[in-house]
Amino acid sequence: AQSVTQPDIHITVSEGASLELRCNYSYGATPYLFWYVQSPGQGLQLLLKYFSGDTLVQGIKGFEAEFKRSQSSFNLRKPSVHWSDAAEYFCAVGGTSGTYKYIFGTGTRLKVLA
Amino acid sequence: DVKVTQSSRYLVKRTGEKVFLECVQDMDHENMFWYRQDPGLGLRLIYFSYDVKMKEKGDIPEGYSVSREKKERFSLILESASTNQTSMYLCASSSPGQYNSPLHFGNGTRLTVT
Repeated sequence: AQSVTQPDIHITVSEGASLELRCNYSYGATPYLFWYVQSPGQGLQLLLKYFSGDTLVQGIKGFEAEFKRSQSSFNLRKPSVHWSDAAEYFCAVGGTSGTYKYIFGTGTRLKVLA
Repeated sequence: DVKVTQSSRYLVKRTGEKVFLECVQDMDHENMFWYRQDPGLGLRLIYFSYDVKMKEKGDIPEGYSVSREKKERFSLILESASTNQTSMYLCASSSPGQYNSPLHFGNGTRLTVT
């Protein structure tokens, strides 16, 4: 069955430190991959997406993600975290089985220490 | 920018009440979705609609129904609210005809059923 796993429920980093959030997926074909961010009390906002081509994709707010087919991973990175990055982050696979259905991971909550 | 508006941020309802959650999008998107978000479970799809009067069940449709009479509006209906439907409900829309179109989310409705 198709699935998305975010192994880290909570991550705490200091402001200015680098960040990597992990995402692993299980999907037979080439996936459409997304990262979304949810600030407290808000809906989800798209950070970046991968469909094909260059495996390193750039997103908004200084985030990037790298698609690694051999590891079935799509990890999100940021070189220097800002306090405003504190939020919950969701990885998702879209367009599964030729439908409009998305599969979301369970999310990683990021805390940033001043 | 796409705007997805959910009519209520917070709702408190009693067990057994019929509850309507309303969602409106302003970008002429054909696809609209209702998700439920619970801690540790991520986002789970309740229903989605790919056109007016068209709907498909998602992963957890039991206890819910939907209505799409106009393209811009997608309503989620709890026929007889129960306490286990206390949750955050997120509406989303996406561009037509593309399985990999990113989702655009509203800010959510936090429903409490007492």
